[in-house]
Amino acid sequence: SQQGEEDPQALSIQEGENATMNCSYKTSINNLQWYRQNSGRGLVHLILIRSNEREKHSGRLRVTLDTSKKSSSLLITASRAADTASYFCATDGSGGSYIPTFGRGTSLIVHP
Amino acid sequence: DAGVIQSPRHEVTEMGQEVTLRCKPISGHDYLFWYRQTMMRGLELLIYFNNNVPIDDSGMPEDRFSAKMPNASFSTLKIQPSEPRDSAVYFCASSPDRVYEQYFGPGTRLTVT
Repeated sequence: SQQGEEDPQALSIQEGENATMNCSYKTSINNLQWYRQNSGRGLVHLILIRSNEREKHSGRLRVTLDTSKKSSSLLITASRAADTASYFCATDGSGGSYIPTFGRGTSLIVHP
Repeated sequence: DAGVIQSPRHEVTEMGQEVTLRCKPISGHDYLFWYRQTMMRGLELLIYFNNNVPIDDSGMPEDRFSAKMPNASFSTLKIQPSEPRDSAVYFCASSPDRVYEQYFGPGTRLTVT
């Protein structure tokens, strides 16, 4: 199974700014998911985008998927201090294994 | 539902001791996953079950690790004997289907001295 790679590893912004995180992967996928992890807690699912979708929205979150470039981005608009967390992308393999594999994550700090 | 429940939340043990981590998945979820998270290696899938049957244990680091799911509402991950390099946060997650979102427990922070 493959592992998505998030970029950047760390991101520091001011409250109110937008935060963009990217995920790249190597082989074709069925689905890509984004999760958030607050310090000392378990991961929380944010959004799932299927390989035939190009964009999805959920509140202040916008996820795009470009299968030709094998990449996805997560945009958090009008960030808040409460958005401070690590964000992970999880990719599955299109070869039959739908089990997601997690990347190393992007650590986001939003300064109030 | 209370979500995925893990116990204990923290475990400190000495090298060589047996460690048992416990997980109660969300009722009705057919898939259960065990992960290990460290700074060095990130989040690693150790093993997952479907309808209480182990499907893929290729992520289990070595024979010292074993996992069981005797029924739909309970799973254990056992390390025997434990070693300092096993120190990590262990997460259990459940899902209604392998292609759907996973629901993670709060994790067990294991420290082996």
